[in-house]
Amino acid sequence: DTEVTQTPKHLVMGMTNKKSLKCEQHMGHRAMYWYKQKAKKPPELMFVYSYEKLSINESVPSRFSPECPNSSLLNLHLHALQPEDSALYLCASSTGTSFHEQFFGPGTRLTVL
Amino acid sequence: EDKVVQSPLSLVVHEGDTVTLNCSYEVTNFRSLLWYKQEKKAPTFLFMLTSSGIEKKSGRLSSILDKKELFSILNITATQTGDSAIYLCAVKGNDKIIFGKGTRLHILP
Repeated sequence: DTEVTQTPKHLVMGMTNKKSLKCEQHMGHRAMYWYKQKAKKPPELMFVYSYEKLSINESVPSRFSPECPNSSLLNLHLHALQPEDSALYLCASSTGTSFHEQFFGPGTRLTVL
Repeated sequence: EDKVVQSPLSLVVHEGDTVTLNCSYEVTNFRSLLWYKQEKKAPTFLFMLTSSGIEKKSGRLSSILDKKELFSILNITATQTGDSAIYLCAVKGNDKIIFGKGTRLHILP
């Protein structure tokens, strides 16, 4: 299994909703990442987990809450989002603990109404 | 301030042409430079470059890094319509990866 999977593919939520994005990989990678990508912009790093511990938080608002329940799973919990948070959320993983060759998932297209 | 600058921002060529995409950077504690191809959704990894002057090659794509002058180029020879995409350059520092804004490449049939 050489892929990163993300669910759901699309998500529409209101500003008062609570939802979660999920990411899974079975490549034995020990680093996992969340990126946010707006249209026509490069991906922006949000969080990095290394050996299931949060190692980098790029000053992301607290309405985004990451969680790494085990070495294969990475969640992003969403609460009280704003319309400007609408974007493609990409998950990636890598073999090394800090930014080696990263494999991306297909992304979740999030729309906040 | 750390930055990665790609040029050109967009490029339109005819099928069969050769293109060169540029990436210059100023990043503290440089570790590696990465090239990605992005079509519809997630970027696809192309190359990782860490050593100066050593060309990485994959089919019609090749890339080289100049750590003295702080830039990299991505060459695509005999371009095909399937090469149309955004090409992203990213530079890894100690704990961060900084992306350029990308070059939007369009190949005309």
